[in-house]
Amino acid sequence: GQNIDQPTEMTATEGAIVQINCTYQTSGFNGLFWYQQHAGEAPTFLSYNVLDGLEEKGRFSSFLSRSKGYSYLLLKELQMKDSASYLCAVRDNLGYKLSFGAGTTVTVRA
Amino acid sequence: GAVVSQHPSWVICKSGTSVKIECRSLDFQATTMFWYRQFPKQSLMLMATSNEGSKATYEQGVEKDKFLINHASLTLSTLTVTSAHPEDSSFYICTTAPGYTDTQYFGPGTRLTVL
Repeated sequence: GQNIDQPTEMTATEGAIVQINCTYQTSGFNGLFWYQQHAGEAPTFLSYNVLDGLEEKGRFSSFLSRSKGYSYLLLKELQMKDSASYLCAVRDNLGYKLSFGAGTTVTVRA
Repeated sequence: GAVVSQHPSWVICKSGTSVKIECRSLDFQATTMFWYRQFPKQSLMLMATSNEGSKATYEQGVEKDKFLINHASLTLSTLTVTSAHPEDSSFYICTTAPGYTDTQYFGPGTRLTVL
């Protein structure tokens, strides 16, 4: 199975940077995903890491260290619309199922 | 990204009735679809893996006779909640991908409220 941990809540100021950490313990690994979910909506895909290192996509970057079972999502130049829940998900290498962390609620304040 | 649709977006039903939720992949064929459930302020929990042309694989604790899954074609999977009860009220979401190692994309979700 998968055990995925991420902080429950984070608050930051508009224009700032926030880093959301995710640690996982897995019986099989085939990639780590980050999704954004606004209240009442389905998650939307943000990033995918399967190899160690940093993936940058505009204001969002994601990092993975497989040996440490660790990832982070970096949100730069925060905007009010970035207030949402951010979900870390690990895919296994058997049925390719996603297991989700509990999500981190990010609140951006003016 | 890939487009996945769900129907209906929301449904309200009486306790004891059955509700069918459809999940469609609009621009690719999906051999496998996954059904998740999300209760308020909780994360997504995988319910079952839907395989085209074969029986679904259910996660531990999910009643297969209550949550019927049919994956009759490469673009459509259905989840039927039979004899729904208020505790089944939740946000049901499907995901799929063109291939096993591709990014999974979510449908928009179906909010079920059982009175």
